[in-house]
Amino acid sequence: DAKTTQPTSMDCAEGRAANLPCNHSTISGNEYVYWYRQIHSQGPQYIIHGLKNNETNEMASLIITEDRKSSTLILPHATLRDTAVYYCIVRVEGAGSARQLTFGSGTQLTVLP
Amino acid sequence: DADVTQTPRNRITKTGKRIMLECSQTKGHDRMYWYRQDPGLGLRLIYYSFDVKDINKGEISDGYSVSRQAQAKFSLSLESAIPNQTALYFCATSDGWGYTFGSGTRLTVV
Repeated sequence: DAKTTQPTSMDCAEGRAANLPCNHSTISGNEYVYWYRQIHSQGPQYIIHGLKNNETNEMASLIITEDRKSSTLILPHATLRDTAVYYCIVRVEGAGSARQLTFGSGTQLTVLP
Repeated sequence: DADVTQTPRNRITKTGKRIMLECSQTKGHDRMYWYRQDPGLGLRLIYYSFDVKDINKGEISDGYSVSRQAQAKFSLSLESAIPNQTALYFCATSDGWGYTFGSGTRLTVV
């Protein structure tokens, strides 16, 4: 799986968009970008994933650069409940994948009132 | 009911005791995992199983064992608990795409 680099921490004002960057310059063509988050001491929660097109769901948007070497997770209107550690993970997926999920250190997002 | 249920939620045990952490899932997935998390660190994989007859060691399997009793059940055992196994333990399941995690078991070994 490709290595990812994320900032250690970020702050965001409540109600504003939170933009969390992730660098994955060694990503290969069949690797997906996944985002998970972990609210303090709870189990990690899946947010979104994508291959090369931008993706949006009810939680967030994922913007992947054209060269796929970096991506940004966008929480459009951050709330205090979005305070969590956000993990960017790059990996091959699908039924044929025999690889387990590897978490790095992530980005601690703190939403400020 | 939660998709992935872990029991117990919290446990304090003494050094040298045997303890089992249990996990059950209702997702119908074949793949199940046990992770450990220490304060300030990411998750580290202990064991994983791709079906009932398949068990694989993760990066930190020493001191742990697992049992896959059924597709829905995957237990983690500490044969002789030691203080540095004090941690937050998570079970997860996957269909090869997204992962669903349990709420965790906080284990303290004194």
